[in-house]
Amino acid sequence: DAGVIQSPRHEVTEMGQEVTLRCKPISGHNSLFWYRQTMMRGLELLIYFNNNVPIDDSGMPEDRFSAKMPNASFSTLKIQPSEPRDSAVYFCASRGQGASNQPQHFGDGTRLSIL
Amino acid sequence: GENVEQHPSTLSVQEGDSAVIKCTYSDSASNYFPWYKQELGKGPQLIIDIRSNVGEKKDQRIAVTLNKTAKHFSLHITETQPEDSAVYFCAASKGYSTLTFGKGTMLLVSP
Repeated sequence: DAGVIQSPRHEVTEMGQEVTLRCKPISGHNSLFWYRQTMMRGLELLIYFNNNVPIDDSGMPEDRFSAKMPNASFSTLKIQPSEPRDSAVYFCASRGQGASNQPQHFGDGTRLSIL
Repeated sequence: GENVEQHPSTLSVQEGDSAVIKCTYSDSASNYFPWYKQELGKGPQLIIDIRSNVGEKKDQRIAVTLNKTAKHFSLHITETQPEDSAVYFCAASKGYSTLTFGKGTMLLVSP
């Protein structure tokens, strides 16, 4: 089974540039989560979708961050304009439908460096 | 909201020893407790989970215990091996809610 697929794996760009991170969830999963991981703050939930609809975006740091899920098999997280403090590893995770308390499955992340 | 505390932040053991990582949670309604292992350059991988209707679950060398009264749960790894070296995260949630993660424990197993 293919797991959660994220691209790119690494991104290095200059401050002020637009950054787009991509995620393909596990087929059949109906919930998708975007996390940010840093040494200082650990794993932070940015936003999550259920059936392609954003449910909770309270973790999105500011208006420079936006996320979309146009269909069940694709999501993007966009930062515009990017700043050095956005440097982190960004993870996407998906969760299956059905009974409650299903586990989340993570991708291998995008390591983002803003110079 | 839920708050999950995890201890210790680092743990060093000799190969073959046991390792125990402990977590406490604040929301008594939480009923799902997964553990994740994160290796360098990888995403967190689910290694075991427990639901509040059981007190203990075991999978080969890994076991998790849950004390609902005290609101704490623990990960036990027996006969540790160098490949167990990684960062381990506990988490808690209820129903269809999102997971709240602990800060992680870096486990180092020395040969």
